[in-house]
Amino acid sequence: NAGVMQNPRHLVRRRGQEARLRCSPMKGHSHVYWYRQLPEEGLKFMVYLQKENIIDESGMPKERFSAEFPKEGPSILRIQQVVRGDSAAYFCASSPLAVVSGNTIYFGEGSWLTVV
Amino acid sequence: AQKITQTQPGMFVQEKEAVTLDCTYDTSDQSYGLFWYKQPSSGEMIFLIYQGSYDEQNATEGRYSLNFQKARKSANLVISASQLGDSAMYFCAMSSRGGADGLTFGKGTHLIIQP
Repeated sequence: NAGVMQNPRHLVRRRGQEARLRCSPMKGHSHVYWYRQLPEEGLKFMVYLQKENIIDESGMPKERFSAEFPKEGPSILRIQQVVRGDSAAYFCASSPLAVVSGNTIYFGEGSWLTVV
Repeated sequence: AQKITQTQPGMFVQEKEAVTLDCTYDTSDQSYGLFWYKQPSSGEMIFLIYQGSYDEQNATEGRYSLNFQKARKSANLVISASQLGDSAMYFCAMSSRGGADGLTFGKGTHLIIQP
């Protein structure tokens, strides 16, 4: 049973380009969370999705960022027209439950975005 | 809204000593969970230990134990007999039924174990 798979692990983009980060949740998990970790900081919630639905995007910047979790395929976090401040680690987590309880949330290994 | 506070940005500890990493939390929910994660320099988030708000016993996992003091809203992580491989960032986090956003994280403590 594979864990949460994120790719790419490392991504370098020039300012103004687009970044796409992918997350395949664990088998049987229909709840996906995206977090961002800036240097020297803890993880900050961005968005919570279920299949084909965005449940809570209160942590997403209003512009340039979007997320989806289609019926088939991985969840995608998309950042358009990247700026240097978008450089961070982006973590995906999945859970079989709507509310995290016990050790039921599993993290991917993260995707490190560097904007040059 | 939930909040996690970790007041120790960094700690240096001698190998084989016990370590206590502080964590206090704030929530208005009655049902919640508390987590500790380790993040080594390679970057992945490694789950260490979980404590539910209704659990009467303190959680233990091998060398890790969680000192849960509900009235004080603290959930300190204790690592017994520290090892060089324990050097990493440590994050305290919480979940609650009032929030659909998974976990709320503290800013972390950078633990360095010295030989």
